[in-house]
Amino acid sequence: GENVEQHPSTLSVQEGDSAVIKCTYSDSASNYFPWYKQELGKRPQLIIDIRSNVGEKKDQRIAVTLNKTAKHFSLHITETQPEDSAVYFCAAERGYSTLTFGKGTMLLVSP
Amino acid sequence: DAGVIQSPRHEVTEMGQEVTLRCKPISGHNSLFWYRQTMMRGLELLIYFNNNVPIDDSGMPEDRFSAKMPNASFSTLKIQPSEPRDSAVYFCATSAGGFGAFFGQGTRLTVV
Repeated sequence: GENVEQHPSTLSVQEGDSAVIKCTYSDSASNYFPWYKQELGKRPQLIIDIRSNVGEKKDQRIAVTLNKTAKHFSLHITETQPEDSAVYFCAAERGYSTLTFGKGTMLLVSP
Repeated sequence: DAGVIQSPRHEVTEMGQEVTLRCKPISGHNSLFWYRQTMMRGLELLIYFNNNVPIDDSGMPEDRFSAKMPNASFSTLKIQPSEPRDSAVYFCATSAGGFGAFFGQGTRLTVV
């Protein structure tokens, strides 16, 4: 089955800095890669996603990149703000099947 | 649509008791997932239904856990008998396929 590795497990940045979270996946047939943000005590929420026919996608301060050859994808957050503090999960999906999640990255943005 | 609805939001029960968690999916979503979240193990997939049929239950930890989806509007996750190590947040998530999964607010289960 699919295996998703996510790094780092924790990330501390100063407000205004950029943050990068990286994930690798094992199943070359995976073709859909969403990212979720989970604030303390709340549910994971989809914030951005990318499909295998696209190399990069941006939405305001967040962007995702995908390297199919290397089987890795990344989340980039620019101009970080304290409200970006949360746990971020990457995931991979093959076809229309189940999502496999990474272990999560706790991002802490200090004012 | 109100999103994925889970009940109860919180459950405290004594070891050995039966616990039933409930989920109402988003209308039109044909995939339903039950996840368990703990600090130690992160988000674990327990079971996945597609069109009400269980497709993959390899994540169900043991026979004490069972899940059903009698129709497209309802699913249950049952633990019998419950144990303290079952304490976790249980999420139900649903998907239309290829567009990510949308999570319910979760049920925080505490077994004492």
